[in-house]
Amino acid sequence: ETGVTQTPRHLVMGMTNKKSLKCEQHLGHNAMYWYKQSAKKPLELMFVYSLEERVENNSVPSRFSPECPNSSHLFLHLHTLQPEDSALYLCASSQEWDTNQPQHFGDGTRLSIL
Amino acid sequence: DAKTTQPPSMDCAEGRAANLPCNHSTISGNEYVYWYRQIHSQGPQYIIHGLKNNETNEMASLIITEDRKSSTLILPHATLRDTAVYYCIVRVLWDYKLSFGAGTTVTVRA
Repeated sequence: ETGVTQTPRHLVMGMTNKKSLKCEQHLGHNAMYWYKQSAKKPLELMFVYSLEERVENNSVPSRFSPECPNSSHLFLHLHTLQPEDSALYLCASSQEWDTNQPQHFGDGTRLSIL
Repeated sequence: DAKTTQPPSMDCAEGRAANLPCNHSTISGNEYVYWYRQIHSQGPQYIIHGLKNNETNEMASLIITEDRKSSTLILPHATLRDTAVYYCIVRVLWDYKLSFGAGTTVTVRA
């Protein structure tokens, strides 16, 4: 496989459930990102990791908990979500976070909160 | 804050070149211009980026004006699969955030 892979592609969960989104990149990049894309709103950056260290936590509620065990994998742990958290969650990676090299995105996880 | 201005939509004939304009009149000297596109139900796809010189890759060409206040993305031979929302983004090296605006919805017609 090449590029950035996200699983699952679709997820439906209740507000009291706990689930995790997974992202894997096969590009040898050192930086990884989580974005949220809601309907009719621009992408919102949630978290940035560089070499497994969190660089940015963009005022994201604590019900979203990221984990970066190594530079190829990124998780987003979800618990007690709200209906307004229904969105497309996108993972991206780049060579480093502070160069001109572009971010490459996965196809996202479509999350629906019941 | 929107740093770029793009037309909301445009049509293009299949097989013809598609020229997508972007205005970034407040761009600073250390900001790069990036182009992405997003096809329905997929993540954004990187197309091309540049600082001040024109750039070309297997997907497209990027023409940046000499004053850097505007740019044009050129898809040389548009196909139906190029139908997507195209985003023009300016970004400085030390800002890891990509600020996507509303983009241009490009529809390629047979």
